[in-house]
Amino acid sequence: GENVEQHPSTLSVQEGDSAVIKCTYSDSASNYFPWYKQELGKGPQLIIDIRSNVGEKKDQRIAVTLNKTAKHFSLHITETQPEDSAVYFCAPLANYGQNFVFGPGTRLSVLP
Amino acid sequence: KAGVTQTPRYLIKTRGQQVTLSCSPISGHRSVSWYQQTPGQGLQFLFEYFSETQRNKGNFPGRFSGRQFSNSRSEMNVSTLELGDSALYLCASTYDRGGTEAFFGQGTRLTVV
Repeated sequence: GENVEQHPSTLSVQEGDSAVIKCTYSDSASNYFPWYKQELGKGPQLIIDIRSNVGEKKDQRIAVTLNKTAKHFSLHITETQPEDSAVYFCAPLANYGQNFVFGPGTRLSVLP
Repeated sequence: KAGVTQTPRYLIKTRGQQVTLSCSPISGHRSVSWYQQTPGQGLQFLFEYFSETQRNKGNFPGRFSGRQFSNSRSEMNVSTLELGDSALYLCASTYDRGGTEAFFGQGTRLTVV
C-alpha cells in the first residue's frame, strides 16, 4: 500500500516569511495530490491540489509543486499570516476507487 | 450550498457500550468515507460507501461497521466500545467514487470512559 511521509513534522516561521512542507509517497500510480489544512476543532479542508499532468499550481499565496519522478510534492505558503497556523496534511491518491492515505501531518505555527 | 454535517459533535460513552454516528454529505454527493483521527495514529481510513454499498474497508476490527441510505446519508456504528476507540471520527463526501475533491465534516469527538 501507499506509504506517505511529511517533512518537517513541525515548522515555526515569523509572520511574512515563507513556509515549505514536503510530502513523499511510495505508490508510483498516484495521480492526484491534494493538501489539506486542519484548524483546531475542525475537519480537514482542501486548500490546493494538483494532478499528475501538471508540475506546479498556484492560488494566491499558496502553491503546490510536483516531482513525479522523485515521488514527492510540496506545499509552499508565501507571506505567512497568523491564520495560516494549523496542521497540514498531504493525501496522495492512486487509482480510481481507492481511499486517501494521509501523511502524518505538519504543524505550522506563524509567530506574529 | 450546505457542507458536510456530522452529528453529534461530541459523545461520551462507557466501555462496552455501542455508539452510532451520522453523516449527511453535500447535496448531490454520492460517496461517503469515514476516517478515525487520533494523536498517535493520525488519520486512518475506516470505510467508504457508494450507492448504499461498502466499496472499501480499512484495517479495523468488525466492531466498526457502517451503512448508507438511499439519500446518501451514512451512519457508522461501533459496538463493544474500548478506551482506544476514543478519537475524532471524520466523514468525507465526494461526488463520485474515487472522486478527487473530498469535503470533510467537523467530526464527532468520541470519548470512551
